[in-house]
Amino acid sequence: DAGITQSPRHKVTETGTPVTLRCHQTENHRYMYWYRQDPGHGLRLIHYSYGVKDTDKGEVSDGYSVSRSKTEDFLLTLESATSSQTSVYFCAISEHGASSGNTIYFGEGSWLTVV
Amino acid sequence: GESVGLHLPTLSVQEGDNSIINCAYSNSASDYFIWYKQESGKGPQFIIDIRSNMDKRQGQRVTVLLNKTVKHLSLQIAATQPGDSAVYFCAENIYEAGDYKLSFGAGTTVTVRA
Repeated sequence: DAGITQSPRHKVTETGTPVTLRCHQTENHRYMYWYRQDPGHGLRLIHYSYGVKDTDKGEVSDGYSVSRSKTEDFLLTLESATSSQTSVYFCAISEHGASSGNTIYFGEGSWLTVV
Repeated sequence: GESVGLHLPTLSVQEGDNSIINCAYSNSASDYFIWYKQESGKGPQFIIDIRSNMDKRQGQRVTVLLNKTVKHLSLQIAATQPGDSAVYFCAENIYEAGDYKLSFGAGTTVTVRA
């Protein structure tokens, strides 16, 4: 296991409510990522972080925000959840960035249902 | 859009046989590839990787082959076991719009028959 803990693992929430998913790593890796996984789409990058307080958007960032106040924690927030955000969310970490060859290790996932 | 894809969405294999999972990519500039295994209800697990300056790399019961001429990647699993039943993804490290990113294929579901 890569030392990644996601919480909560399962959540059901109502449309319009805010939701925060937490990712905690014990590997002291610089890079952290949030992906979502949906049938037919594979894994798609939402946001990533390349250091404390340093974040950037991925390919599906609309409706999501992130924060990284400590090396070990990366939070994903859905400001106002919509049904289209029902998905499985994976946190991932890597020691180096993509330009160095990018072995990314994944957490166990957070299943989010927006009703 | 996705530049990585798998030839077959499902693969059924007899226990003990060898499995071959294929992946095609379209970006000839890609320099790094990874195979992941994802069991039901779990996160993707790193299996093996290969850089573009290599044609073959072996791990424990797994071999990855890279054919840059036809932009094709394959994962071979020797003596397939029931525990190998999972979805297998290939990922490609591509340079796009001024940055590198990892692009994932949709996955092949491998089912091992007893």
